Amino acid sequence: AQSVTQLGSHVSVSEGALVLLRCNYSSSVPPYLFWYVQYPNQGLQLLLKYTTGATLVKGINGFEAEFKKSETSFHLTKPSAHMSDAAEYLCAVSERGFQKLVFGTGTRLLVSP
Amino acid sequence: DAGVTQSPTHLIKTRGQQVTLRCSPKSGHDTVSWYQQALGQGPQFIFQYYEEEERQRGNFPDRFSGHQFPNYSSELNVNALLLGDSALYLCASSRETDTQYFGPGTRLTVL
Repeated sequence: AQSVTQLGSHVSVSEGALVLLRCNYSSSVPPYLFWYVQYPNQGLQLLLKYTTGATLVKGINGFEAEFKKSETSFHLTKPSAHMSDAAEYLCAVSERGFQKLVFGTGTRLLVSP
Repeated sequence: DAGVTQSPTHLIKTRGQQVTLRCSPKSGHDTVSWYQQALGQGPQFIFQYYEEEERQRGNFPDRFSGHQFPNYSSELNVNALLLGDSALYLCASSRETDTQYFGPGTRLTVL
């Protein structure tokens, strides 16, 4: 069975600081990996995804993530946080050829001025 | 191009009642998945519909059922509501095994 662990239910950064949100996964088959962002009382918006090929994936709003098979990780980073980045971030995994997404419990990013 | 739409936005029911939630997929998408997101948790997969058939199902009781129509829209039905069914219900659409795009969700409160 697949699973996702997101370390830290809350992460606080200052505006302009580096953002690092951690995601580790477990999968018996090569995974597809996703990061979604969720603003209050809204649905999920796709930030980026890894399927095959280049392990460093760039997404929207300046975010990127690196797939590290040896560490079973897919951490999300952004060089400089903006106030508008404050939201819930969800990491998810799925098996290739299937679409059931298995989500982590999420990390709330707080950005202070 | 309209994205995934869901109705209603909010819903309040009492224990034991039945509820139907609706989802219209993004244009060009033929697959609809439903997720339940309890407060403070990540979404949990309920089931997925493709070509009007349930293709995959998560660990949810038979009280949760669904349907997909020829125009690819979908309904989620929940019978005999429990307090624990209170959650945000998310619909996601895709083209077969491609990326899922989520709607804004329906907030269900069971009293």
